[in-house]
Amino acid sequence: EIVLTQSPGTLSLSPGERATLSCRASQSVSSSYLAWYQQKPGQAPRLLIYGASSRATGIPDRFSGSGSGTDFTLTISRLEPEDFAVYYCQQYGSSPFTFGGGTKVEIK
Amino acid sequence: QVQLVQSGAEVKKPGASVKVSCKASGYTFTGYYMHWVRQAPGQGLEWMGRINPNSGGTNYAQKFQGRVTMTRDTSISTAYMELSRLRSDDTAVYYCARGEDFWSGYYNYWGQGTLVTVSS
Repeated sequence: EIVLTQSPGTLSLSPGERATLSCRASQSVSSSYLAWYQQKPGQAPRLLIYGASSRATGIPDRFSGSGSGTDFTLTISRLEPEDFAVYYCQQYGSSPFTFGGGTKVEIK
Repeated sequence: QVQLVQSGAEVKKPGASVKVSCKASGYTFTGYYMHWVRQAPGQGLEWMGRINPNSGGTNYAQKFQGRVTMTRDTSISTAYMELSRLRSDDTAVYYCARGEDFWSGYYNYWGQGTLVTVSS
């Protein structure tokens, strides 16, 4: 099973700042089958990025994903008030599909 | 538009079973795997497994093998997830989720979630 470790656990930033979230895999994620989700309290997760770097439909271009192999990054170029939430990475290259523990982006 | 509508909240005693339903609409039900993901209170997301609605074939995470059963009824476009021998740490919100295409392991569409509480 591929274990995904997200860091930091919490990121305290102000609106307008840049957020950089990390997701490290215990072994290589095949074909960059890595996704990122945003989740707000009481809501289901929302797909942001798939294939490590492809934005899902309707996702603003301030969200970008990068990386390959075992190291992946989600970048939010300029935080908007609605971006404060928890973010999860997920690998779907090998079963069982696994999620990281999440990074909470909170208002500083 | 694609919609996944799940059954309502459940309260169960330890040792019991729970069956959660997920009714799909807005697309061809048999054309996409249905996945199940759960989230314990204040915790992260955990993939439980998936079902091929066309064949009924399933893949389960090893953690749930022997306790989980995923089925479907194609006549009413509904998928089911049954979890048996419930324990208190099975208390969680259970989601069904669908990918962008048949094989997608990432999820564009999610149900609203079903809270299952296990308590004596």
